[in-house]
Parts: sequence; C-alpha cells; structure tokens
Amino acid sequence: AQSVTQPDIHITVSEGASLELRCNYSYGATPYLFWYVQSPGQGLQLLLKYFSGDTLVQGIKGFEAEFKRSQSSFNLRKPSVHWSDAAEYFCAVGASIGDTDKLIFGTGTRLQVFP
Amino acid sequence: GAGVSQTPSNKVTEKGKYVELRCDPISGHTALYWYRQSLGQGPEFLIYFQGTGAADDSGLPNDRFFAVRPEGSVSTLKIQRTERGDSAVYLCASSTGGTGELFFGEGSRLTVL
Repeated sequence: AQSVTQPDIHITVSEGASLELRCNYSYGATPYLFWYVQSPGQGLQLLLKYFSGDTLVQGIKGFEAEFKRSQSSFNLRKPSVHWSDAAEYFCAVGASIGDTDKLIFGTGTRLQVFP
Repeated sequence: GAGVSQTPSNKVTEKGKYVELRCDPISGHTALYWYRQSLGQGPEFLIYFQGTGAADDSGLPNDRFFAVRPEGSVSTLKIQRTERGDSAVYLCASSTGGTGELFFGEGSRLTVL
C-alpha cells in the first residue's frame, strides 16, 4: 500500500534562511508526488508536482523539490524563507493519474519562521 | 464564487445526532473529493465522485457515512448517529481530473460533544 512519511513534525527557521522539508514515500511503481501548503484560514494549495521527466521540479512561491528514486524521497526546498511561508506543508502521493486524483497525504510539517 | 465553498464552516452537535456538510465545487470541475483531517494528521481520503456517481468510496469509515452528488455539482456528506470520534475538519476538493491538482475548500469543522 502507498504511504507517505514526513519525519519532521515541526521546523523553525529564521527569515532568510534556507529550508528543506523531508518526505519519504512507499509505492511499488513510479509515484506521482505532490507538495501542498495549508495556511491558517485557507484551504490546501498545490505548491508543485512530479509526474515524470526532470527530477527537479519548480513550484510556486519559489519552492522546488527533487525526486530521488534511490532514496524514495521527494524533499521540498527553498533557498530563502519569508515570514509568509509559515504554514503547514503536506507531501502526498497519487496512485495513478487517469480520471482520478486520489491522493494519500503525509501527516504534515509545521513551519515556523522567526524574524 | 471562484473557489470551492463549504458550509457550515463550523458545526457543533451532540453525540447521536445527524449532520450534513455541503460542498459547492468550482464550476466545471467534474471530479469531487471528500477528505477528513483530524488534529495533527494529514487529510485522509473518504470518497471520490466523477460526475454524479461515487467512483471510489473506499475511505468511508463505516455505514454511518454517506455522500451524494445528485446533479454532478454540489455534494453533501451525511453522517448519521455521530460519535465523538467523528470530530474533525471535513475537507472538500474538486478538480478537472488527471492533473493531480485538487482545489480545496476551507473545510467544515465538526465537533461532536
């Protein structure tokens, strides 16, 4: 069965510092991988996704993620964090993309940004 | 509106009562999803509609939970004989299908006393 592990429950960084949020997945075939962000009072929003091809994908708000098959990882990165990035981040894996977008989410990583 | 709309935003009920949660998806989105998010957890899949039919209801925890989408647009999640363990935020999402991008509403927070 598919699963997603986000080992860091809570991360604190200073504004301007670099950021890496970890995500490991378990899936037998090539997964479809996603990062969503959930800000207070807002719905989940897609940051970026990986289906195939280039293993380094760019997303919105200056985020990027790298798919590493050998490590079963899809870590999210940002070179310089802004205070507005404080939110909860969820990694997700999809079984197939056809007529369904059923996703399995990790438990999330809460990001706190200090000025 | 432009986004996914969910009502009510908050619902407090007593154990054993019946609850309905409504979702109005983005116009033109044929796919609609219900997820449940408990405190400290990620969203957990409940059910998926393609048009009017439930294409996958494998995530519904038991027969107290039921969802409908009679005209292929608005959906209602129905919970009978609510239990304290049903307390969570119920998220609705819609999509055009096949892109992996779900558009989520802000959720309906259900509290069962």
